[in-house]
Amino acid sequence: QQQVKQSPQSLIVQKGGISIINCAYENTAFDYFPWYQQFPGKGPALLIAIRPDVSEKKEGRFTISFNKSAKQFSLHIMDSQPGDSATYFCAARLGGSEKLVFGKGTKLTVNP
Amino acid sequence: ETGVTQSPTHLIKTRGQQVTLRCSSQSGHNTVSWYQQALGQGPQFIFQYYREEENGRGNFPPRFSGLQFPNYSSELNVNALELDDSALYLCASSLADKKAMVQETQYFGPGTRLLVL
Repeated sequence: QQQVKQSPQSLIVQKGGISIINCAYENTAFDYFPWYQQFPGKGPALLIAIRPDVSEKKEGRFTISFNKSAKQFSLHIMDSQPGDSATYFCAARLGGSEKLVFGKGTKLTVNP
Repeated sequence: ETGVTQSPTHLIKTRGQQVTLRCSSQSGHNTVSWYQQALGQGPQFIFQYYREEENGRGNFPPRFSGLQFPNYSSELNVNALELDDSALYLCASSLADKKAMVQETQYFGPGTRLLVL
């Protein structure tokens, strides 16, 4: 019940295209949903985050869509660039706690 | 860069040995969390320290222990190393408001790559 399921496992997109990564959860006690970007040999870096009382949040080319009733959220990367090639993790935080639960990650490759 | 630093960057140990990993949190942050990231997996929460006390623990055995110091830096200690302990160990710092227990986002360091032979 504390899992966060992420799909797809890998994604190949052409430069300029839209990359979409999906996550789903069961536990309604999650109260904060960040997305992290990780390059090889580096730690995860916060990309964008959303709280469940908001249905969409946009920062530059990155947008989170949140569907509370479906318990799903997704990351959209518009105008994808080769520099966006990395592994992306969705995560969820248990309300009243400090624990982040991560998805298994999506390896994004943006071809030039 | 997040300002969170970890040392060492890489470490090789043999089964049964003990290891200590170190983390310096971002300036102004009072909370440190440790995660284990196996190859090809997402990070798994080990535990968190808030103002020098353990403040939550994931599903890891007692041979994983930690410390937080008055300057909010932290150590992760692993005793009796097993082959499955080979992973990237990540430290994340954040600022916790004790009254509301609401934390800002956790910022991760670059990690320590541990290989157990």
